[in-house]
Amino acid sequence: AQKITQTQPGMFVQEKEAVTLDCTYDTSDPSYGLFWYKQPSSGEMIFLIYQGSYDQQNATEGRYSLNFQKARKSANLVISASQLGDSAMYFCAMREAGQNFVFGPGTRLSVLP
Amino acid sequence: ETGVTQTPRHLVMGMTNKKSLKCEQHLGHNAMYWYKQSAKKPLELMFVYSLEERVENNSVPSRFSPECPNSSHLFLHLHTLQPEDSALYLCASSQGLAGSGKFQETQYFGPGTRLLVL
Repeated sequence: AQKITQTQPGMFVQEKEAVTLDCTYDTSDPSYGLFWYKQPSSGEMIFLIYQGSYDQQNATEGRYSLNFQKARKSANLVISASQLGDSAMYFCAMREAGQNFVFGPGTRLSVLP
Repeated sequence: ETGVTQTPRHLVMGMTNKKSLKCEQHLGHNAMYWYKQSAKKPLELMFVYSLEERVENNSVPSRFSPECPNSSHLFLHLHTLQPEDSALYLCASSQGLAGSGKFQETQYFGPGTRLLVL
């Protein structure tokens, strides 16, 4: 069964606008972490933001924020004020206690000038 | 050098060649990982090392042979590969021991090696 679902294979956003990338996950473990990575065309996976299952507040890192809705098992990434350099693949990942990372299929974001 | 480095960045090899991919992490981490990323496929975990000991091998063909001489270095030895092995190979590291239960620990990736098998 798919543990991480990213339903948007591709997204477009106008420069300076905000965009939300969807991620839903499946787990019965109460202890888990959720991660977002960015992969530009160069190939490197760049860590963006982390949200723990016990965290009461949504995580934020600069222009990135994570809209964590635990009951819905949703961990959407919000990028504010999009820039041309934000064009990349974005991967949602989950790590349960004692387990390895599981990655979603990714969403390709294209920022339009 | 900082973070996780990988060499070479690009590699073209024939099916009869033998080559090695190298990964080095400068983060003081205890666990290292090899992933394969093929076009239009999710990231596939290949091998996991925890303090130089292999703790996971996800049914990877024997033509891929990992080696972890110390906690900072990880190699992937390649021999008699097939064209379908062409992919981006990513190395990653994390602080704690693999399977230690610390779900908070982030994996940090290297830039990857783009491999083309002719």
